[in-house]
Amino acid sequence: AQTVTQSQPEMSVQEAETVTLSCTYDTSENNYYLFWYKQPPSRQMILVIRQEAYKQQNATENRFSVNFQKAAKSFSLKISDSQLGDTAMYFCAFIRQGAQKLVFGQGTRLTINP
Amino acid sequence: EPEVTQTPSHQVTQMGQEVILRCVPISNHLYFYWYRQILGQKVEFLVSFYNNEISEKSEIFDDQFSVERPDGSNFTLKIRSTKLEDSAMYFCASSDRGKGGNEQFFGPGTRLTVL
Repeated sequence: AQTVTQSQPEMSVQEAETVTLSCTYDTSENNYYLFWYKQPPSRQMILVIRQEAYKQQNATENRFSVNFQKAAKSFSLKISDSQLGDTAMYFCAFIRQGAQKLVFGQGTRLTINP
Repeated sequence: EPEVTQTPSHQVTQMGQEVILRCVPISNHLYFYWYRQILGQKVEFLVSFYNNEISEKSEIFDDQFSVERPDGSNFTLKIRSTKLEDSAMYFCASSDRGKGGNEQFFGPGTRLTVL
């Protein structure tokens, strides 16, 4: 069975700073996908970034980037130039190739302070 | 931009009562999902649904739970006889394809409180 672990329950940084959220996972699969979802207060989860395990290049989406270390089974999210609107719960998630079930981590509550 | 919607946003019920949680997936999506999150715990997969049948379910999804797509737009989760431990946030999601790499779009959730 796959598991996803986020070891930081809460983080807080000042606006414009860079912050890195950690995620590790455990799987015996070789083909899978990893995601970071953002859940602002009282709103739905939205996809921030996606990484295919077969790709060595780290995914980037504007201010968001990942550090994907397949051998270490690590998938951290870096947010550059953080903004107040980045305040949210962030979930790391895993899905194996061909499956429909997302496996989530516990979440990290990120607060961006003005 | 199309969104997944869920109703109600909060449901309070008595233990033993039946509840139906409703979701309207994105209109051209074919795969539908329910997840739940007990307060302070992880988001957990319950069930996936495609072509009018369950395609995958977790061990949580026992005989007390059922899903249905009663018409062309709604997707429902029924809990027949609610228990205190069913209190959780329930999220509906949909995707246009069922392959593992495709984005699942989530609704805002229904908070279920069982008293």
